[in-house]
Amino acid sequence: DTAVSQTPKYLVTQMGNDKSIKCEQNLGHDTMYWYKQDSKKFLKIMFSYNNKELIINETVPNRFSPKSPDKAHLNLHINSLELGDSAVYFCASSQVGAGGSQETQYFGPGTRLLVL
Amino acid sequence: AQSVSQHNHHVILSEAASLELGCNYSYGGTVNLFWYVQYPGQHLQLLLKYFSGDPLVKGIKGFEAEFIKSKFSFNLRKPSVQWSDTAEYFCAVTTKGPPGTYKYIFGTGTRLKVLA
Repeated sequence: DTAVSQTPKYLVTQMGNDKSIKCEQNLGHDTMYWYKQDSKKFLKIMFSYNNKELIINETVPNRFSPKSPDKAHLNLHINSLELGDSAVYFCASSQVGAGGSQETQYFGPGTRLLVL
Repeated sequence: AQSVSQHNHHVILSEAASLELGCNYSYGGTVNLFWYVQYPGQHLQLLLKYFSGDPLVKGIKGFEAEFIKSKFSFNLRKPSVQWSDTAEYFCAVTTKGPPGTYKYIFGTGTRLKVLA
């Protein structure tokens, strides 16, 4: 069984469209993340949710809106897509360990977004 | 602000050569340390981690890393690389604290290419 799954795997769309990427984890973790990886492989955290609450919201355009309906899901909705949004988006999850630190992150397979 | 530096952005080695990838972090408190690997076209996977105890940590596929607290470093090593080690390597640090205060910080990655 896939621990962290994302859909779709590939997404090709026109500028100006609105799209969503879904993420689900079956690990029972309490924290989920969205990352953006650009063409240079830089990995940038976008959002982090702990028990459905937003805890990290880095400098990301407000066209990006995460939604966490429950602990196991963290979806990413993107409005008015722009060329610069083309990237690979990774979802991840982890569990808070003893002492309040985050433990190993488990990553989804990624969603390759291409905006034309 | 906390940060993670990986000074080697691109490394090219021949098979059987020894590998050492540098990772330095800036944070004065207690940290957990990770190395993740991303094989071409795949998602990030945990290679090894350090939480406490023996500062020399052994991971999968013959990799090891040494935590040197005085140098704020967590360098990754492998005595003899293989072509299949060609990948992107990310160092990561998590800081401890209540939810909302801890951070999960990734370095910019090191691209390793191993020539057959």
